[in-house]
Amino acid sequence: GAGVSQSPSNKVTEKGKDVELRCDPISGHTALYWYRQSLGQGLEFLIYFQGNSAPDKSGLPSDRFSAERTGGSVSTLTIQRTQQEDSAVYLCASSLERLSGGKLFFGSGTQLSVL
Amino acid sequence: TQLLEQSPQFLSIQEGENLTVYCNSSSVFSSLQWYRQEPGEGPVLLVTVVTGGEVKKLKRLTFQFGDARKDSSLHITAAQPGDTGLYLCAENIGWGKLQFGAGTQVVVTP
Repeated sequence: GAGVSQSPSNKVTEKGKDVELRCDPISGHTALYWYRQSLGQGLEFLIYFQGNSAPDKSGLPSDRFSAERTGGSVSTLTIQRTQQEDSAVYLCASSLERLSGGKLFFGSGTQLSVL
Repeated sequence: TQLLEQSPQFLSIQEGENLTVYCNSSSVFSSLQWYRQEPGEGPVLLVTVVTGGEVKKLKRLTFQFGDARKDSSLHITAAQPGDTGLYLCAENIGWGKLQFGAGTQVVVTP
């Protein structure tokens, strides 16, 4: 596609339910990143993929969070047993380069609301 | 991990005025990126600065990187309503991973 695509754009769920967020990166981009943005805040790094492997998962806030990437393309971020503090915008980005200075292209995000 | 401090947190100005926002750190930046984020969208890269003392211009936007590479500023001349957005600075801390500041919300009213 022309840009990074994320779905759904909005998700409302009840506390305790599991959610899956999807990211479709720019074709050919080998690096993929998930970030979280709470209201009025900057972006918080969650996880980085190079191809299908995740060399850096250091930002995942708890073991309720997991992510996978298949075929070096689409990625899914799963949050199990959601809590109200998980409410945020989840942003995905992709990049052609993993080296310093690589330009990141962001999707429009998924607004997650946990009631 | 160093903390990126952005100031001010919020800035509201009239169309045609100038504005400056700042990004500071106690440690030296390897390089610094500036992004603009509009409501409901992801951040969009404006510029990357690498060399101490560097100045880059993007139309009415002027970006400066401090000589010691511990601070950076973004100056907008004759602001327009289309400049409204959240301005974020970010440092690439390895693997393309970015450490972001909290951002400056800029509102330009007609």
